[in-house]
Amino acid sequence: GESVGLHLPTLSVQEGDNSIINCAYSNSASDYFIWYKQESGKGPQFIIDIRSNMDKRQGQRVTVLLNKTVKHLSLQIAATQPGDSAVYFCAENPNTGTASKLTFGTGTRLQVTL
Amino acid sequence: NAGVMQNPRHLVRRRGQEARLRCSPMKGHSHVYWYRQLPEEGLKFMVYLQKENIIDESGMPKERFSAEFPKEGPSILRIQQVVRGDSAAYFCASSPRQLRNTGELFFGEGSRLTVL
Repeated sequence: GESVGLHLPTLSVQEGDNSIINCAYSNSASDYFIWYKQESGKGPQFIIDIRSNMDKRQGQRVTVLLNKTVKHLSLQIAATQPGDSAVYFCAENPNTGTASKLTFGTGTRLQVTL
Repeated sequence: NAGVMQNPRHLVRRRGQEARLRCSPMKGHSHVYWYRQLPEEGLKFMVYLQKENIIDESGMPKERFSAEFPKEGPSILRIQQVVRGDSAAYFCASSPRQLRNTGELFFGEGSRLTVL
């Protein structure tokens, strides 16, 4: 039969405000956690990653926070701009050696309003 | 340095036909991953290949789907006897090495398959 897609959770943020996008991951053995941005009609683009032995990492206007106790990852975007409108996916890399691959979460749509 | 190139960008097939999707990784990248994305959903892993070898095909249906990455030329994802449920965007990603100690994959723009 035909599968029905789930509607992505949506976060609406006013331009200039800070955005916080959350993600729960499943594999407590994962070693790397990554955020990707996907604009409409395009492929995902790497934003930032964090290793499991860290709890915070900062990039340009973005910060990723990792809470291993509750298996939670968040992406903070400072001073959100219209160009930040996209779907954001978290991903995990269990770092299982030669066959490591990324497992993606379901995604959150960020809408930036003017 | 050109990015990951996928073609065709859009492909329409009738039920029962074959679909071939091509992916040329970034220069110097010998690791290729294929992911499938349904509308409003996340990316689902299908297969991981290195040159001439399939490393992990655990996400690929056992029937009708196959993938290759020959010594010369692009990686190809082949879907035989397509059905409507195969309609999706198929993304290819590449990396220069195994995904140890990193999470960065370079994605192409995707191939959107529509099965009528």
